[in-house]
Amino acid sequence: GNSVTQMEGPVTLSEEAFLTINCTYTATGYPSLFWYVQYPGEGLQLLLKATKADDKGSNKGFEATYRKETTSFHLEKGSVQVSDSAVYFCALTLNNAGNMLTFGGGTRLMVKP
Amino acid sequence: DAGITQSPRHKVTETGTPVTLRCHQTENHRYMYWYRQDPGHGLRLIHYSYGVKDTDKGEVSDGYSVSRSKTEDFLLTLESATSSQTSVYFCAISPTSGMLEQYFGPGTRLTVT
Repeated sequence: GNSVTQMEGPVTLSEEAFLTINCTYTATGYPSLFWYVQYPGEGLQLLLKATKADDKGSNKGFEATYRKETTSFHLEKGSVQVSDSAVYFCALTLNNAGNMLTFGGGTRLMVKP
Repeated sequence: DAGITQSPRHKVTETGTPVTLRCHQTENHRYMYWYRQDPGHGLRLIHYSYGVKDTDKGEVSDGYSVSRSKTEDFLLTLESATSSQTSVYFCAISPTSGMLEQYFGPGTRLTVT
């Protein structure tokens, strides 16, 4: 089956620190990969995506590169802000699956001033 | 932002009572989904719909039923609520099989006492 594994949190960083949240996947096909972000009390928002190997998704200073050889899609940001405090979910979908998403367990990021 | 609303946003109910949650979209998207979010489990798919009157089970469908009589509405029913169904419920929509992304509603926090 399909699965997504994320590093467990919480991840606590100081403002302006470098962020990496690891994500690896297994899939019975060629997936598209996503990062979603959930701010406190809200639903999930799409942060970025990549649909094929070596694609780099980017948005709001966050980046993730689709690495087929290591089945990974790690999320990075060069300088985090307090406003980035949220829960981050890695997810995949197989294009023939009605857009069904398989989610990782989520990683809580806490950024301190 | 995608036009997705959920109602109610908060509900407290007693064990054994029926509960219906509503998801309404203004985007005319084909696919609709219901998820539950629980600590340590991320998001898990309950049911999904790929068109009016076309629904199917997800990963955790036991104890839940759904209906979709109009494109814009997707109802989730707990026939007889149990404490294990205390959770935050999210509705999501997705336009076509080519677009891949899902867009999430704000969530409904359900407490079963």
